[in-house]
Amino acid sequence: KAGVTQTPRYLIKTRGQQVTLSCSPISGHRSVSWYQQTPGQGLQFLFEYFSETQRNKGNFPGRFSGRQFSNSRSEMNVSTLELGDSALYLCASSLSVPGVTGELFFGEGSRLTVL
Amino acid sequence: AQTVTQSQPEMSVQEAETVTLSCTYDTSESDYYLFWYKQPPSRQMILVIRQEAYKQQNATENRFSVNFQKAAKSFSLKISDSQLGDAAMYFCAYRSVKTSGSRLTFGEGTQLTVNP
Repeated sequence: KAGVTQTPRYLIKTRGQQVTLSCSPISGHRSVSWYQQTPGQGLQFLFEYFSETQRNKGNFPGRFSGRQFSNSRSEMNVSTLELGDSALYLCASSLSVPGVTGELFFGEGSRLTVL
Repeated sequence: AQTVTQSQPEMSVQEAETVTLSCTYDTSESDYYLFWYKQPPSRQMILVIRQEAYKQQNATENRFSVNFQKAAKSFSLKISDSQLGDAAMYFCAYRSVKTSGSRLTFGEGTQLTVNP
């Protein structure tokens, strides 16, 4: 079974630009969540999507947005990039069956550098 | 809001020895889940072990075990017979039962070095 796939693995942008990151969950998983990992702030929850609907949202500005498609693939977008947005962005998928604690499976992340 | 604290930024252990990583958390909830994740240099987070708060018995997975002290809000990870492949960043994480979905609150992480 293929794992969680994130693209691109690395990218470099300049301040003010926007970026879109993609995540393909494990087949059959309907929940996709996103995390930002930085040396200073650690791992922080961005948002979670389930069946194309945002189910949870972390404490990030509106420049961070996401969506989920009918095939459960998800994208996150960051507009008007700032230097502080440089981070590793991790995507995780899970079955998310009600009443069952589904394990989260993480991708290898997308490393964003903002210059 | 829940918080998770890992007070040991770095730990080291000799191969084949035992090491314990500490984690404390703060919550007003009575039912929740706790996890230990491992992040090797490849960056992919891997679940090591999990504990349901309603279970009194400590979880074990082969060489990995936890010491869950609910009253003290403590959740430490013990790695026995440490192997070179155990070297990684370890994260303790909390997940609420009340909040639907898969939102995790992570600690700051502990970098574990295994010396041959």
